[in-house]
Amino acid sequence: DAGVTQSPTHLIKTRGQQVTLRCSPKSGHDTVSWYQQALGQGPQFIFQYYEEEERQRGNFPDRFSGHQFPNYSSELNVNALLLGDSALYLCASSLATANSPLHFGNGTRLTVT
Amino acid sequence: GENVEQHPSTLSVQEGDSAVIKCTYSDSASNYFPWYKQELGKRPQLIIDIRSNVGEKKDQRIAVTLNKTAKHFSLHITETQPEDSAVYFCAASPPGGGNKLTFGTGTQLKVEL
Repeated sequence: DAGVTQSPTHLIKTRGQQVTLRCSPKSGHDTVSWYQQALGQGPQFIFQYYEEEERQRGNFPDRFSGHQFPNYSSELNVNALLLGDSALYLCASSLATANSPLHFGNGTRLTVT
Repeated sequence: GENVEQHPSTLSVQEGDSAVIKCTYSDSASNYFPWYKQELGKRPQLIIDIRSNVGEKKDQRIAVTLNKTAKHFSLHITETQPEDSAVYFCAASPPGGGNKLTFGTGTQLKVEL
């Protein structure tokens, strides 16, 4: 039973560029959430997708956008990259039921130079 | 929005001793409190969670207590082992939050031989 998988594992981009990160949820899960984890900090909620729609959003600018596909996989897009966007981006999947435990992927380490 | 504070930021104990990590939350409506363990370079992994209708939950050497009146919850690890060394994060989620977790800033636990 595959867990949450993310790609790529590492990525280096230049300031101003755009990036797309990908996530496949754990088998049986239909909800995908994205978190940003800066070095030495706890993960911060970016947004959550269910039934191919953004259901909730954290305090992140519109440069951060996402998508969920019919097979429940998801993408996170970040436009106009800033140095401060350098972080570990974690995808987490769960069921749509309230307080269903989150299962995290290994993350994508994004470095913006 | 919700704010979660976590203490201490670092904790060093001798093998076999107990470790306690404490968190406070601001939103009295929050009703789900998971704890995650994150080893260096790895994904956060759920180790235990508690819901607001329960005051205490135990799983082998790990226990969590919740005081809704004071809005704080704690993680207790007994008989610590070197493999318990990791960063531990507490989190809180409001009702109907769809698992929109607000994380604490983490506690670096080091279990010394």
